[in-house]
Amino acid sequence: AQSVSQHNHHVILSEAASLELGCNYSYGGTVNLFWYVQYPGQHLQLLLKYFSGDPLVKGIKGFEAEFIKSKFSFNLRKPSVQWSDTAEYFCAGGSGNTGKLIFGQGTTLQVKP
Amino acid sequence: KAGVTQTPRYLIKTRGQQVTLSCSPISGHRSVSWYQQTPGQGLQFLFEYFSETQRNKGNFPGRFSGRQFSNSRSEMNVSTLELGDSALYLCASSLLAESYNEQFFGPGTRLTVL
Repeated sequence: AQSVSQHNHHVILSEAASLELGCNYSYGGTVNLFWYVQYPGQHLQLLLKYFSGDPLVKGIKGFEAEFIKSKFSFNLRKPSVQWSDTAEYFCAGGSGNTGKLIFGQGTTLQVKP
Repeated sequence: KAGVTQTPRYLIKTRGQQVTLSCSPISGHRSVSWYQQTPGQGLQFLFEYFSETQRNKGNFPGRFSGRQFSNSRSEMNVSTLELGDSALYLCASSLLAESYNEQFFGPGTRLTVL
């Protein structure tokens, strides 16, 4: 069965620390991967996505992710977090000609000022 | 442009009742997907509609159903509510029903079943 897993459920960092959130997917065929963020009280919004081409993807607000096919991974990174990055982060995967997304369990990031 | 809208935003029902939730996609978007979000299970796919046709259904009982209208607006219905149906129900729209398309999410409907 298709699945997406996130390793870190709750991460606490101080401002200016570097961030890396793990995401692994488990399915074959066409792989499209996404990172979504949910700020407190706001909608889910897209940070970045990968569907082909350069495996290093840059998104909004200084986030980037690297698709490593051999490791079935799509980890999210940011070199220096800010207090405003406090949010819940979701990795999601899609495949083929369907809008169905499979989400990871989510990672709650708390950034201390 | 206006985002995805969902109504109502909050709903309280009792066990055994039924409920209908509504979703209006972004103008021009033809694909609508529904997700259930709970603290224990996270975000789980319910179903996807494109051009009034259900293209995919998640692993939910038959009490969960949906439909899409010709203007792409969508509704989902849950009959014979159970306590475990308490959740945030999210609707997402995208231009096409292709997995590389960005899905735009609405604010959700918070359903509480007593």
